[in-house]
Amino acid sequence: QSALTQPASVSGSPGQSITISCTGTSSDVGGYNYVSWYQQHPGKAPKLMIYDVSNRPSGVSNRFSGSKSGNTASLIISGLQAEDEADYYCSSYTSRSTLVFGGGTKLTVL
Amino acid sequence: QVQLQESGPGLVKPSETLSLTCTVSGGSISSYHWSWIRQPPGKGLEWIGYIYYTGSTNYNPSLKSRITMSVDTSKNQFSLKLSSVTAADTAVYYCAAYSHSNTWVKFDSWGQGSLVTVSS
Repeated sequence: QSALTQPASVSGSPGQSITISCTGTSSDVGGYNYVSWYQQHPGKAPKLMIYDVSNRPSGVSNRFSGSKSGNTASLIISGLQAEDEADYYCSSYTSRSTLVFGGGTKLTVL
Repeated sequence: QVQLQESGPGLVKPSETLSLTCTVSGGSISSYHWSWIRQPPGKGLEWIGYIYYTGSTNYNPSLKSRITMSVDTSKNQFSLKLSSVTAADTAVYYCAAYSHSNTWVKFDSWGQGSLVTVSS
């Protein structure tokens, strides 16, 4: 199974909004509402930020939101803060009843 | 959320079998699906598979021929065995679960990760 496609890096200044895309196919992202997003700081385990495309777990800032259009899911971070600098990964359920991750995006807060 | 803790050897020789155990605390293993995910140094995440407490499993097709997962309900532990390892299997191995419903497609509980290096 091929990894979902994410940009290798994105950047933004404090206070700005950024969007990270996650592109798959109709057999994964486009076919199911089981897209999740994870934040990973260096040396740490990933943290669930968004699940089922657009749902936020308790305790996650409302600056984080998710959406999906066709075969592409998006993570939007508004009001960018220094602490948001991290790697972000998307994941999706697939038609083969497996789970596939994106290649990851490094977010730099300028 | 449940707490998860991986344990096992940090160094495995090529062609041998990698073995890791994940201990579950703060909840019963007789609930939820229990997953393994790995991350090679400097690279992205890869889903390895999951096991349900009944013993039902689902593995990544690319690794399926080499994986065995098991669960020990008496110890509140589940385990991963990966056979015939090569340097490409060098990674941080995470155990993970979603502790709010019985699903395996998302994870809100993660272990701290266990680095396994394959080298002679």
